[in-house]
Amino acid sequence: DARVTQTPRHKVTEMGQEVTMRCQPILGHNTVFWYRQTMMQGLELLAYFRNRAPLDDSGMPKDRFSAEMPDATLATLKIQPSEPRDSAVYFCASGQKRDRDTEAFFGQGTRLTVV
Amino acid sequence: GDSVTQMEGPVTLSEEAFLTINCTYTATGYPSLFWYVQYPGEGLQLLLKATKADDKGSNKGFEATYRKETTSFHLEKGSVQVSDSAVYFCALSGTGRRALTFGSGTRLQVQP
Repeated sequence: DARVTQTPRHKVTEMGQEVTMRCQPILGHNTVFWYRQTMMQGLELLAYFRNRAPLDDSGMPKDRFSAEMPDATLATLKIQPSEPRDSAVYFCASGQKRDRDTEAFFGQGTRLTVV
Repeated sequence: GDSVTQMEGPVTLSEEAFLTINCTYTATGYPSLFWYVQYPGEGLQLLLKATKADDKGSNKGFEATYRKETTSFHLEKGSVQVSDSAVYFCALSGTGRRALTFGSGTRLQVQP
């Protein structure tokens, strides 16, 4: 059963530390999304890639966040330095862009707590 | 830009009641429309989709019809179960570079 795999599932870190979240998209999918979910803001798009190239990262605080796809099987989201306001659940999703839409399949998320 | 508006929750129903969760959208062109469901502690799962006007998406007893004239995609189920308790997200996907745009989510609580 193909699925998006995210690691770690939970992360607790101290303010100022670097955090790296990883995502393995479903094999063959050409689109990867990073979303952040909080109670206050709901689901926010941070970045998305098509064929490993970033298409939109306007939702990401550029001074501390970075997203990359070193290869087709790995997407990373880094926060450096982390702050308490970054505490949230971070979801990766992958999909296959077709003519009219991209249907996204979500991982189970990384719950980040910055203390 | 694209946007999705959902009714605010929580929606609390008794088992076997009829469910409607309203969703309206704003988008240029002809987007595809989706409903996703999120169970506690899980990621979002695709529930159903519709790709053009008047299409009806259906799955697990849930239905939604793509209404271009009212820019709506309301989710319905004739008889809800306790296991349907979750958060439901309406979303759209446009053509070109635009990513999936989600509504704010509607929490459904079904009581026995």
